[in-house]
Amino acid sequence: AQSVTQPDIHITVSEGASLELRCNYSYGATPYLFWYVQSPGQGLQLLLKYFSGDTLVQGIKGFEAEFKRSQSSFNLRKPSVHWSDAAEYFCAVGLITGNQFYFGTGTSLTVIP
Amino acid sequence: GEEVAQTPKHLVRGEGQKAKLYCAPIKGHSYVFWYQQVLKNEFKFLISFQNENVFDETGMPKERFSAKCLPNSPCSLEIQATKLEDSAVYFCASRSTGSYSPLHFGNGTRLTVT
Repeated sequence: AQSVTQPDIHITVSEGASLELRCNYSYGATPYLFWYVQSPGQGLQLLLKYFSGDTLVQGIKGFEAEFKRSQSSFNLRKPSVHWSDAAEYFCAVGLITGNQFYFGTGTSLTVIP
Repeated sequence: GEEVAQTPKHLVRGEGQKAKLYCAPIKGHSYVFWYQQVLKNEFKFLISFQNENVFDETGMPKERFSAKCLPNSPCSLEIQATKLEDSAVYFCASRSTGSYSPLHFGNGTRLTVT
């Protein structure tokens, strides 16, 4: 069965520090992968996506993610975190066959001044 | 429009009452999805549509939940005889027909059943 694991429920970083949020997936073939961000009271906003090609993808708000097939991972990174990045982050896997999407349980990011 | 529009933003219903939620997908998007977020972090898939046809309804609680996407109307999700456990945020998302197109989400409807 397909699954998405975000091992870190909650992460706290200082403003200006670097950030890495982990995501692992379980799927037989190469899925297409997404990171979304959810601010309080809002829906999910797409940060970036990967489906093929360069394994390092750039997204909005200075985020990037790297697809590592050997590790079944798609970790999200940002070199310098801003206070406005505090939010919930969700990794998602899309399956081309069946038009299905699976979401991780999210990582809550707190940014301290 | 350019955004997925969900109405209402908040809905309060007494247990046993009916609740109806609406979603206008992005213009030109053929697929519509409904998700239920009960706990803050869990997205439960309910149902998806391809235009007005049900594509996948494996997540729908069949007894009390129903959904439609009719031409030239917002999509709707209806819960008959709401229960306390239906309290959640319901998200609608749409996507285009491109193979790798992502889901675009609305801001959700918060349903509170009292």
